[in-house]
Amino acid sequence: DAMVIQNPRYQVTQFGKPVTLSCSQTLNHNVMYWYQQKSSQAPKLLFHYYDKDFNNEADTPDNFQSRRPNTSFCFLDIRSPGLGDAAMYLCATSRALGLLYEQFFGPGTRLTVL
Amino acid sequence: AQTVTQSQPEMSVQEAETVTLSCTYDTSESDYYLFWYKQPPSRQMILVIRQEAYKQQNATENRFSVNFQKAAKSFSLKISDSQLGDAAMYFCAYKGVQGGSEKLVFGKGTKLTVNP
Repeated sequence: DAMVIQNPRYQVTQFGKPVTLSCSQTLNHNVMYWYQQKSSQAPKLLFHYYDKDFNNEADTPDNFQSRRPNTSFCFLDIRSPGLGDAAMYLCATSRALGLLYEQFFGPGTRLTVL
Repeated sequence: AQTVTQSQPEMSVQEAETVTLSCTYDTSESDYYLFWYKQPPSRQMILVIRQEAYKQQNATENRFSVNFQKAAKSFSLKISDSQLGDAAMYFCAYKGVQGGSEKLVFGKGTKLTVNP
């Protein structure tokens, strides 16, 4: 089945130690999104790629970076994780930008920062 | 900025009964979409139902239906004949165009428990 895959499902890192979260998709969608979802809060968009065009949300901290080497893969890099970065990170894809297009979500990676 | 409010952090329903989850939103836009997403424990978020703002008719998907009141900026989800598999977090989401860039804005979610 076509899907959005996130690895690992659970990630533990130390305060200040860089960490990379991975997302891949078999849907061949043009757009890939990264959301941060803290406990009991709404998912919050960090950034998205439309093909290779990167779009950062204005309030996304500089500590968060992303790479999209090809259509299928997108990575979230946290350069120096703080305790406040502990959260569920959701990857999503859509066929294109536009109100019409549905976003498909992966299962998420839960990040713990010690 | 657009905001989405879900005033019920938790709800419960008996199996086979009906439950309604509330959602209100704030926007100055005339063209937008509204969604209900379901997030089961440890599983991915999936789309339950969507409503285009320009459509007056309420969307329906099998046991799921919405009550869309555009003037009141209200978008509630009704689940009929509730099943154990309906237990999940439910997120209401708004999709519009902000500053030329479209984005999904989520509410904080409602945790639905289905009692056998």
